[in-house]
Amino acid sequence: ETGVTQTPRHLVMGMTNKKSLKCEQHLGHNAMYWYKQSAKKPLELMFVYNFKEQTENNSVPSRFSPECPNSSHLFLHLHTLQPEDSALYLCASSQEWGGNIQYFGAGTRLSVL
Amino acid sequence: AQSVTQLDSQVPVFEEAPVELRCNYSSSVSVYLFWYVQYPNQGLQLLLKYLSGSTLVKGINGFEAEFNKSQTSFHLRKPSVHISDTAEYFCAVSEVGGNQFYFGTGTSLTVIP
Repeated sequence: ETGVTQTPRHLVMGMTNKKSLKCEQHLGHNAMYWYKQSAKKPLELMFVYNFKEQTENNSVPSRFSPECPNSSHLFLHLHTLQPEDSALYLCASSQEWGGNIQYFGAGTRLSVL
Repeated sequence: AQSVTQLDSQVPVFEEAPVELRCNYSSSVSVYLFWYVQYPNQGLQLLLKYLSGSTLVKGINGFEAEFNKSQTSFHLRKPSVHISDTAEYFCAVSEVGGNQFYFGTGTSLTVIP
């Protein structure tokens, strides 16, 4: 148990669906991250929130929409996804942006049909 | 930007044999270095980290790594592996004072009974 909880663990959705991924951290951290993990590729940083403010958006398509209502919760809203978006989506947190240790959740395995 | 190279994508090793997983990075500036382990269907768990001080770092589960600044390497070692060490191992680098983590593509360690 790392203190970072992601739900759901598995998600199957059609290309026209709208769904959301949730991440919650119980570590008192101020920075939260979304990563995409595809097979045989390095982890891709998608978004960074620091003190609830978005500080990084690494050219992520608009069909992915993050939301950070407070420092403990992070969402990733999904709509009109493509099959190539199928991947493991990992949430992480750190004491602050640029903090030297990131703690990861177990991830959401997303399949887009 | 950094690049992190894990030369071996797959490493099979017999139980109780020693193992070394290699990691090289590109930066010439001061860095923090990390190894994470990912067990099947789980997120990334911090195995060990180098922030400063002794170049030989000990982590959980009997793993250790040595920081070699001149060779820009941070290889992971274990003198005797167990079946339970079968997992994906990721090397990561962040620059001191920087904001980003850079991950390698991972090494899949398979321990053979």
